[in-house]
Amino acid sequence: NAGVTQTPKFRVLKTGQSMTLLCAQDMNHEYMYWYRQDPGMGLRLIHYSVGEGTTAKGEVPDGYNVSRLKKQNFLLGLESAAPSQTSVYFCASSYGRGVEQYFGPGTRLTVT
Amino acid sequence: KQEVTQIPAALSVPEGENLVLNCSFTDSAIYNLQWFRQDPGKGLTSLLLIQSSQREQTSGRLNASLDKSSGRSTLYIAASQPGDSATYLCAVRPMNYGGSQGNLIFGKGTKLSVKP
Repeated sequence: NAGVTQTPKFRVLKTGQSMTLLCAQDMNHEYMYWYRQDPGMGLRLIHYSVGEGTTAKGEVPDGYNVSRLKKQNFLLGLESAAPSQTSVYFCASSYGRGVEQYFGPGTRLTVT
Repeated sequence: KQEVTQIPAALSVPEGENLVLNCSFTDSAIYNLQWFRQDPGKGLTSLLLIQSSQREQTSGRLNASLDKSSGRSTLYIAASQPGDSATYLCAVRPMNYGGSQGNLIFGKGTKLSVKP
């Protein structure tokens, strides 16, 4: 039981490049989330999903897109990376809304 | 808008001390409150979750309390150890938060250092 995994662990992009971050969970959770963590800002919700095939915007969705084609996977895409998207990205999952969220180890992204 | 504040931002204590970390939130309309631990360069580990109807939760040397009416929670760590050194984050799940249907709102954390 691996829990929540994220790939890649680190990535450096140039401004304007695109990439996809992958989150996978093996706990059969319905809910999945993408957060970003910036110094002095705390964690902020980017997008979330309440089930396979659904996605919704969080607090800071601009510049990101997501997809949940399979229940166990939640993808976060950056179509045209900007230096402001330099951050640590965390994925989380939970089996319901009002219960504990389980976090992945994070992806450290630098955009130059 | 719900805001979560954690004071102090950093705390250093000698090993063996009992300590209290504080979390405050501006809107008492919450479903629950969750305490996390984050080690450097790592993800978040859930420590305790308190439902809005509960007053406290305990796990080993950790005890979390919730006073929803005053918008406060505390995390009590007994007999602190160097292994407790980490950043502790508090998060609330508000009942109303725009279109996000009550997803977690995080504080900025308290960085704890326990000296041997």
